[in-house]
Amino acid sequence: DAKTTQPPSMDCAEGRAANLPCNHSTISGNEYVYWYRQIHSQGPQYIIHGLKNNETNEMASLIITEDRKSSTLILPHATLRDTAVYYCIVRVKNTSGTYKYIFGTGTRLKVLA
Amino acid sequence: DAGVIQSPRHEVTEMGQEVTLRCKPISGHDYLFWYRQTMMRGLELLIYFNNNVPIDDSGMPEDRFSAKMPNASFSTLKIQPSEPRDSAVYFCASSLIFYGRTGELFFGEGSRLTVL
Repeated sequence: DAKTTQPPSMDCAEGRAANLPCNHSTISGNEYVYWYRQIHSQGPQYIIHGLKNNETNEMASLIITEDRKSSTLILPHATLRDTAVYYCIVRVKNTSGTYKYIFGTGTRLKVLA
Repeated sequence: DAGVIQSPRHEVTEMGQEVTLRCKPISGHDYLFWYRQTMMRGLELLIYFNNNVPIDDSGMPEDRFSAKMPNASFSTLKIQPSEPRDSAVYFCASSLIFYGRTGELFFGEGSRLTVL
């Protein structure tokens, strides 16, 4: 199974861009990268996902390197409400043809006023 | 949509007692996942179902843990007998995965279990 590696914690000034890196060097060609965040002990919430191309939505941008071994989640203008644990996840396809989501240890992002 | 619904939200029990956690996935979703979250081990995948069929239970820690999905709208995770080390937040999540879909995982609010 592909696994992800993230820095345990990061700080970011309010209003600045937060760039959260993730290493997934063992990812396979058809495995998607997802990003989720968890605020306090709530259930994790979906942010964005991608396969090969860079992606952008109303919440964030996802930059995936050409070799797909790493990616970066970008929160363009971080606010205090973005303080959370951010998880980089690989969706793995099993030999059975079914899928599962493997969570890493996450990055605890603290946005500073 | 009501989202993924879990019950109970909080459970406090004594060692040796049976614990049953319940989950109602989002209607129409074909995957259901059970995760456990602790400070030490983070989010661990325990078991998942596809179209009500258990696919991979390799994450279930011991035989004391069992999970069922009798129909598309209900799943249970049972611990019998419970032990203090089972104390954790248990999350249920569901997803709809086929070509063209994001396959986004929708999580419930979790069931916080404390075993004394």
